[in-house]
Amino acid sequence: ETGVTQTPRHLVMGMTNKKSLKCEQHLGHNAMYWYKQSAKKPLELMFVYNFKEQTENNSVPSRFSPECPNSSHLFLHLHTLQPEDSALYLCASSPSDRGESTEAFFGQGTRLTVV
Amino acid sequence: GQNIDQPTEMTATEGAIVQINCTYQTSGFNGLFWYQQHAGEAPTFLSYNVLDGLEEKGRFSSFLSRSKGYSYLLLKELQMKDSASYLCAVMDSNYQLIWGAGTKLIIKP
Repeated sequence: ETGVTQTPRHLVMGMTNKKSLKCEQHLGHNAMYWYKQSAKKPLELMFVYNFKEQTENNSVPSRFSPECPNSSHLFLHLHTLQPEDSALYLCASSPSDRGESTEAFFGQGTRLTVV
Repeated sequence: GQNIDQPTEMTATEGAIVQINCTYQTSGFNGLFWYQQHAGEAPTFLSYNVLDGLEEKGRFSSFLSRSKGYSYLLLKELQMKDSASYLCAVMDSNYQLIWGAGTKLIIKP
């Protein structure tokens, strides 16, 4: 138990569907992240929020839309995805996204399959 | 560009010692992390090095040489539960984590 909870754990969706991934952290951290993890590839940072403000958007397609209503919750809204978007989506949190070289705490991820 | 290199897969025997290497080229350096990730689970923090030298934590040790852009994770007295992927990540000058693809470690009895 890392203090970061993601739901759902598994998701299968068609290319025309709309779905959302949810992440919640109980660590009092100010920064939250979305990562994409594909097999045998490095973790890809998608979005960073610090104090609810988006600070990074690493050229992610608009079919992925993040939302951070408060410092404890993070969503990733999905629509018209492609099969190549199938991957493990990981949420993480850390005390801050700047100035402190501290560890990030990860959720267990959502295994997404686009059919 | 920035990149992190680590072997894709390694195999070791229960009770033995294994060393997982990581080399990096990044824009600046604010520390190097090692994470462990069991299949289907969250990555969990193992170690952090920002100064040269060896950091020991129980059966696990991590070494850093900033001048060589090199780190290794040393696992002693291997146990079956150590079978996992080990991820190396470097924090660059913008405090962004640059990740390696991970090393899958297989432990055999």
